[in-house]
Amino acid sequence: TQLLEQSPQFLSIQEGENLTVYCNSSSVFSSLQWYRQEPGEGPVLLVTVVTGGEVKKLKRLTFQFGDARKDSSLHITAAQPGDTGLYLCAGEAETSYDKVIFGPGTSLSVIP
Amino acid sequence: DAGITQSPRYKITETGRQVTLMCHQTWSHSYMFWYRQDLGHGLRLIYYSAAADITDKGEVPDGYVVSRSKTENFPLTLESATRSQTSVYFCASSEFLGYEQFFGPGTRLTVL
Repeated sequence: TQLLEQSPQFLSIQEGENLTVYCNSSSVFSSLQWYRQEPGEGPVLLVTVVTGGEVKKLKRLTFQFGDARKDSSLHITAAQPGDTGLYLCAGEAETSYDKVIFGPGTSLSVIP
Repeated sequence: DAGITQSPRYKITETGRQVTLMCHQTWSHSYMFWYRQDLGHGLRLIYYSAAADITDKGEVPDGYVVSRSKTENFPLTLESATRSQTSVYFCASSEFLGYEQFFGPGTRLTVL
């Protein structure tokens, strides 16, 4: 069974701090996505990474895909209250055709 | 309006009753998905569909039935609701597997 693990599960920080959240698996993924979900809404895609070692930046957010395509990280610089939400990673495992799985998420709270 | 919609947004039912959750998308995406979201488990795939009349089980299909007679609709039926099916249900669609998934706003289902 392919699993995606995310850490930390919960994170509460002050506005202006930096943070990193992680997404890990023992499986190799063809691609990996990061979504953000706000309370009462469905998840919204932030980025997709497909190449091992790939780094993508989206304003203050930096996403990295591990060289072996088994893990990924999301780094937020100078967090703002608007960054508050549940961050989910999702991936299509190479050995599990047609199956996209989601990690349990990291719940981030940025305190003004 | 273009997008993906779910109905109802909130539903309270009793154990043993049949419940159908509706999902409609206007993009003509090939793939559609049903997830349930519970604390500690993240998003778990119930069923998905690659095209009209093609459906397949996800991680937690027991107790659920789906159909897809038209590309734009993907209803989820709980044939005999149980308390363990109390959850928030999300429908999503994507053009291809592994591409961005567009999520509906969710249906909060409570089974008493």
